[in-house]
Amino acid sequence: GAVVSQHPSWVICKSGTSVKIECRSLDFQATTMFWYRQFPKQSLMLMATSNEGSKATYEQGVEKDKFLINHASLTLSTLTVTSAHPEDSSFYICSARDGLRRSKETQYFGPGTRLLVL
Amino acid sequence: AQSVSQHNHHVILSEAASLELGCNYSYGGTVNLFWYVQYPGQHLQLLLKYFSGDPLVKGIKGFEAEFIKSKFSFNLRKPSVQWSDTAEYFCASPSGRGSTLGRLYFGRGTQLTVWP
Repeated sequence: GAVVSQHPSWVICKSGTSVKIECRSLDFQATTMFWYRQFPKQSLMLMATSNEGSKATYEQGVEKDKFLINHASLTLSTLTVTSAHPEDSSFYICSARDGLRRSKETQYFGPGTRLLVL
Repeated sequence: AQSVSQHNHHVILSEAASLELGCNYSYGGTVNLFWYVQYPGQHLQLLLKYFSGDPLVKGIKGFEAEFIKSKFSFNLRKPSVQWSDTAEYFCASPSGRGSTLGRLYFGRGTQLTVWP
């Protein structure tokens, strides 16, 4: 159990286009989802916390108008990178917390989406 | 705010050697701690976690970690590593309140390379 999927697994796009990444919890209800980005050889950096049915909470320095997050249901959150530029190229990872389990602090991670902006 | 530090950036071991990866946290209140592993090309997987109780926590694949409150540490150990343990290891701790409850602070990671 506790499987999180992401789609697509990789995407290449032209500069200026928008890219949507989906994160789904497959066998549990995720009241909270998190979006991270990971640069090569570096740790995960939290971008935003997404609570179902409410606006996402962004970390300092993350542009909310550039990285649009929608968490419309208990099993789906989307991250849209608007007007992507080469510096947005990165590995984007989502995670989800199972709101019904006792160990609510445990996060389950998706496989990540590699974005390359040309 | 919580912060987590990992001082070993790259550890290289031979198979059967013993492993200890350091993790230190900064927050002195109630602490929850995690170790995650990221195998090459794969997503993060939970190795073990500490919430309360026995400070010696046993995880999957023979890993264990000891929570030492006086040292603000949660080091990961394995008595005998295998080539398949080659991966990136992350220590993490949650923090935040309200809408950001549960946000994880990650250490910068330790790359473990095990030579056969």
